[in-house]
Amino acid sequence: AQSVTQLDSHVSVSEGTPVLLRCNYSSSYSPSLFWYVQHPNKGLQLLLKYTSAATLVKGINGFEAEFKKSETSFHLTKPSAHMSDAAEYFCVVSESGHKLVFGAGTILRVKS
Amino acid sequence: SQTIHQWPATLVQPVGSPLSLECTVEGTSNPNLYWYRQAAGRGLQLLFYSVGIGQISSEVPQNLSASRPQDRQFILSSKKLLLSDSGFYLCAWSVGSGIRYEQYFGPGTRLTVT
Repeated sequence: AQSVTQLDSHVSVSEGTPVLLRCNYSSSYSPSLFWYVQHPNKGLQLLLKYTSAATLVKGINGFEAEFKKSETSFHLTKPSAHMSDAAEYFCVVSESGHKLVFGAGTILRVKS
Repeated sequence: SQTIHQWPATLVQPVGSPLSLECTVEGTSNPNLYWYRQAAGRGLQLLFYSVGIGQISSEVPQNLSASRPQDRQFILSSKKLLLSDSGFYLCAWSVGSGIRYEQYFGPGTRLTVT
């Protein structure tokens, strides 16, 4: 079965500094991987997805993620954090056509 | 463009009362539809999904049920709510089948059972 581990439950950065949110996955075959963001009391918004094309995936709001099969990782990065990036981020692996497996989430705090 | 609506946005219900949450999608045909629950400290849990009218798959046995009376309408129901039913309920949609297709989420319904 697929699983996702988000290595940090909380990450705190200063505005203007880089963001790194770490995600490892396990999969018995070539997975599809996603990052979603959730602001308080809101739905989830898709940031980016990997579906076996380019290993470096660019998403919305300046985020990107790199798929590394040898490390089974899919870390999310952003060169410069903005206050509006403060939210909870979920790494997700697609197990089947309809079942997404969510990580536990990482809460990103951005300090001014 | 596609839009997904959920209502109500918030709901406070006593234990033992019935529940009906509604989700509708605009701008697409024959979507796959999903109900998730997000409880504090427990992540997102897939409750039901539907690939077509009248077709419902249940992922977790519980006192909830789902129905899809129309192509773009998905309803989550309960006859008698439990305290443990409290949480944030999210509806989502996707198109196509297979693992390559992302899901798009609605704004959610915050349910508090008292």
